[in-house]
Amino acid sequence: NAGVMQNPRHLVRRRGQEARLRCSPMKGHSHVYWYRQLPEEGLKFMVYLQKENIIDESGMPKERFSAEFPKEGPSILRIQQVVRGDSAAYFCASSPEAASGNTIYFGEGSWLTVV
Amino acid sequence: AQSVTQLGSHVSVSEGALVLLRCNYSSSVPPYLFWYVQYPNQGLQLLLKYTSAATLVKGINDFEAEFKKSETSFHLTKPSAHMSDAAEYFCAVSVPNTGTASKLTFGTGTRLQVTL
Repeated sequence: NAGVMQNPRHLVRRRGQEARLRCSPMKGHSHVYWYRQLPEEGLKFMVYLQKENIIDESGMPKERFSAEFPKEGPSILRIQQVVRGDSAAYFCASSPEAASGNTIYFGEGSWLTVV
Repeated sequence: AQSVTQLGSHVSVSEGALVLLRCNYSSSVPPYLFWYVQYPNQGLQLLLKYTSAATLVKGINDFEAEFKKSETSFHLTKPSAHMSDAAEYFCAVSVPNTGTASKLTFGTGTRLQVTL
C-alpha cells in the first residue's frame, strides 16, 4: 500500500513564477492536509480538503496561495508569483476520516526554493 | 486555541543513555497529543499518540510518553538511546470533536543528537 506521494520533491522557481505541488493521498483516504515548514520551525497548518471541497483554509495566506482536491487526480497546492519567503518544505498528509484520533500520514515533502 | 511548547531546541545524549524530550501543551479542552519524528529531508513519521485512553502511551522503537493533565505535559522518553534515534522530534496537539479535528498544531521541534 503506497504511502502519501508528493511531487516534485524539489522545485526551484524564480521570483514571480508559479509553483505547483502535487499530492496523492494514501489509497482509501479522502482527506488531505497541507502543512508548511519554514527553516528551523515546526510545521504550520495551511489547508484541509476533502474531495472537491475545502473544509478549512484558515492557515492559507490570503493572496497567491490556493489549493484544490478534484474528484479525480491529486491534490494541488498552487503558489502564484512566488517570493523568497515562500521557500519552505511543503508537506501533504492524508487520513481516511476526519475524526481527530485518527492518525494522519505524511508524505516526504516538497522542497520549494525561490531564487 | 491550542498550542504546544517544546523545551530545548537541541538535546544531546550519549548512546545508551535515557532520552527525555519535553512537551507542554495548552488547550481549552482535553486534547489529543502526538509525537512525530523527522529524519533529514524526509516526512514525518508517527511515533505515538494519546487519544484519552491510557495515560502512558507506548510507541515504536521503544519510545513512550505519559500524559499528565495536572502538568499539561506529554514528555517523550526512551530508556536507551541509539545512534539511529538522531533526528528532529515534534510534539503536536489536536482538539477532539471539532469540524477540523485532524488539524494538528505542532511545536517548534527538538533536535536529538546521540553521541558515542
